[in-house]
Amino acid sequence: QKEVEQNSGPLSVPEGAIASLNCTYSDRGSQSFFWYRQYSGKSPELIMSIYSNGDKEDGRFTAQLNKASQYVSLLIRDSQPSDSATYLCAVNPLTSGTYKYIFGTGTRLKVLA
Amino acid sequence: KAGVTQTPRYLIKTRGQQVTLSCSPISGHRSVSWYQQTPGQGLQFLFEYFSETQRNKGNFPGRFSGRQFSNSRSEMNVSTLELGDSALYLCASSTGQGGEQYFGPGTRLTVT
Repeated sequence: QKEVEQNSGPLSVPEGAIASLNCTYSDRGSQSFFWYRQYSGKSPELIMSIYSNGDKEDGRFTAQLNKASQYVSLLIRDSQPSDSATYLCAVNPLTSGTYKYIFGTGTRLKVLA
Repeated sequence: KAGVTQTPRYLIKTRGQQVTLSCSPISGHRSVSWYQQTPGQGLQFLFEYFSETQRNKGNFPGRFSGRQFSNSRSEMNVSTLELGDSALYLCASSTGQGGEQYFGPGTRLTVT
């Protein structure tokens, strides 16, 4: 089992719709969770971090964390063609104090105009 | 606040050569991590330095090495380059306490 799993996609949604991206992780002791957006040929850009169970909203983005289910998701409301990118989920297990970030392979999102 | 900077942005090398990449973290950040990204493998963790000490290491051969200086700037070295080393090399900085990690623009290395 991979440490951080994401569906590779592509996930296609029409413009204006809600895009839902999901991520599961294996280390139950994980404490920090992050979502990055990466455009083709560019470096990952941090868009959300979440540390406690529940929802965290920032503009059109909402991160949801459920530690009991070992699941973190990202919702993008009113999706725009400019949101078309690969979204990477990252987890920091904080095991043994190593502060090592584990990345999923990413979900490619396509927003159709 | 200035972001993470990486130099050079592009490199073309031939097999057998060596290369050194540089990364300057965000001011105040003491942790620098290095990643290799290829289309087939995604983001692969190379190593992390915190306060001049290597704190974590990924599963890469010894040809890949790094160091960190007292001002938190970090360098990564790849010796005896192979064709498979062609990739985007990314560095990321953080405070080193498990919080947000910010990436630089990357160095695209092509080995011919």
